[in-house]
Amino acid sequence: DIQMTQSPSSLSASVGDRVTITCRASQSISSYLNWYQQKPEKAPKLLISAASNLQSGVPSRFSGTGSGTEFTLTISSLQPEDFATYYCQQSYSSPLTFGGGTTVEIK
Amino acid sequence: QVQLQESGPGVVKPSQTLSLTCTVSGGSISSGGYYWSWIRQHPGKGLEWIGYIYYSGSTDYNPSLKSRVAISVDTSKNQFSLKVSSVTAADTAVYFCARGSMTYDFWGQGTLVTVSP
Repeated sequence: DIQMTQSPSSLSASVGDRVTITCRASQSISSYLNWYQQKPEKAPKLLISAASNLQSGVPSRFSGTGSGTEFTLTISSLQPEDFATYYCQQSYSSPLTFGGGTTVEIK
Repeated sequence: QVQLQESGPGVVKPSQTLSLTCTVSGGSISSGGYYWSWIRQHPGKGLEWIGYIYYSGSTDYNPSLKSRVAISVDTSKNQFSLKVSSVTAADTAVYFCARGSMTYDFWGQGTLVTVSP
């Protein structure tokens, strides 16, 4: 199985801050990497697919980069509605696997 | 807009079989082009892929659960279902259904299943 490791596991930030979350794969997954946002008691929401493809309706302050084994999700200017947990997920091979999550909390 | 809704018992006894159904609206499972998946989340934990099915019945399962899991589809009802046999407390989780095999763009709201005597 491909292991996905996210860092940090949590972070505190203020509205307006630039936030970067890292996801590393245990082997190369090309650009087969998705990012999801999950708020408490809600289902995950797909933000970015194929490492950098922003989904329709997702604000442009979200961006994704990377390929191979290292990927980043950046929120350019954190907004109140962005406080949530973010998960990466490899879509390269079965079994599909997710990172452990990064919780973005209010500072 | 595609919508998915999970349904099934909220409590299952140990050693019994967990059964959930996902009803899809706003699109037809049998129109093809999409796979339909089950994903679970243990309380306060991360996400675990369980498996997926195509309308034709083709499936793929997580090897960690494969011996206990079965996913089926009923195109006449626009539903797909999950069965997990011989459940233990470790199967207590929120179970989500979702559209997609490798990338999940629409999700159900999730349903909590507790394994308890």
